[in-house]
Amino acid sequence: AQSVAQPEDQVNVAEGNPLTVKCTYSVSGNPYLFWYVQYPNRGLQFLLKYITGDNLVKGSYGFEAEFNKSQTSFHLKKPSALVSDSALYFCAVPPRGGNNDMRFGAGTRLTVKP
Amino acid sequence: DVKVTQSSRYLVKRTGEKVFLECVQDMDHENMFWYRQDPGLGLRLIYFSYDVKMKEKGDIPEGYSVSREKKERFSLILESASTNQTSMYLCASSPWVAGGSYNEQFFGPGTRLTVL
Repeated sequence: AQSVAQPEDQVNVAEGNPLTVKCTYSVSGNPYLFWYVQYPNRGLQFLLKYITGDNLVKGSYGFEAEFNKSQTSFHLKKPSALVSDSALYFCAVPPRGGNNDMRFGAGTRLTVKP
Repeated sequence: DVKVTQSSRYLVKRTGEKVFLECVQDMDHENMFWYRQDPGLGLRLIYFSYDVKMKEKGDIPEGYSVSREKKERFSLILESASTNQTSMYLCASSPWVAGGSYNEQFFGPGTRLTVL
C-alpha cells in the first residue's frame, strides 16, 4: 500500500538557518508526492508536489523539496527559516489511482525561534 | 479565490446524538473528502465522493456516513456520536483530472467536534 512516514514529530530551528522536514515514502510504481502546511487555527494549504521531472521541486513561500529515489525520500527544505514558517507540515501520497484522495503522514511540527 | 467552507468551527454534542457536519465548495470540483485529524495520527480519510450521489469508504468509515445530493455540498453524519469521535474534522475538494494525474486538495478551516 502507498504510504509516507515522517520520522520527526518536532523540528526546531533558529530564524535565518536552513530547515529540513523529512518524509520517506513506500510506493509501488511512479510516486506522486505532496507537501501541505497547516498554520495555527487554519486548514491545510498545499505547498508543492512531485509528479515527474526534476528532482528539486519549488513551491509556495520559498519552500522546495528534493525527491530522492534511491533513499525513497521527499524532504521539504527552505534555505532561510522565518518565524512565520512555524506550523504543522504534512507529507502525503495518493493511495489509489484516479480518485485523488490522499494518505497523510503523521505530521511534523516546525518551530522557528527568533 | 477558491473556497471550502464548513458549517461550524466548534461543536459540542452529547453521546448518542446524531451530528451533521456540512461542507460547501464553490470551485465546481468533482471530488470531495472528509478527514479527521488527531495528534500523532495525521489526517485519516473517512469518506470521499467523486460525483453527486457517489461515495467511497476511506480508511476509517465506521460510525460515519455521508451524503452528496448536490455537487457543491458534502455532508458527514455521525449516526450516534461517541466520545472517541471527538476530533478535528476537515473537508477538502479537488477537481477531477483525466489521464491519471493528481491535483492538490483544497481544505476548509475544520470543525473541532467535542462529544461529551
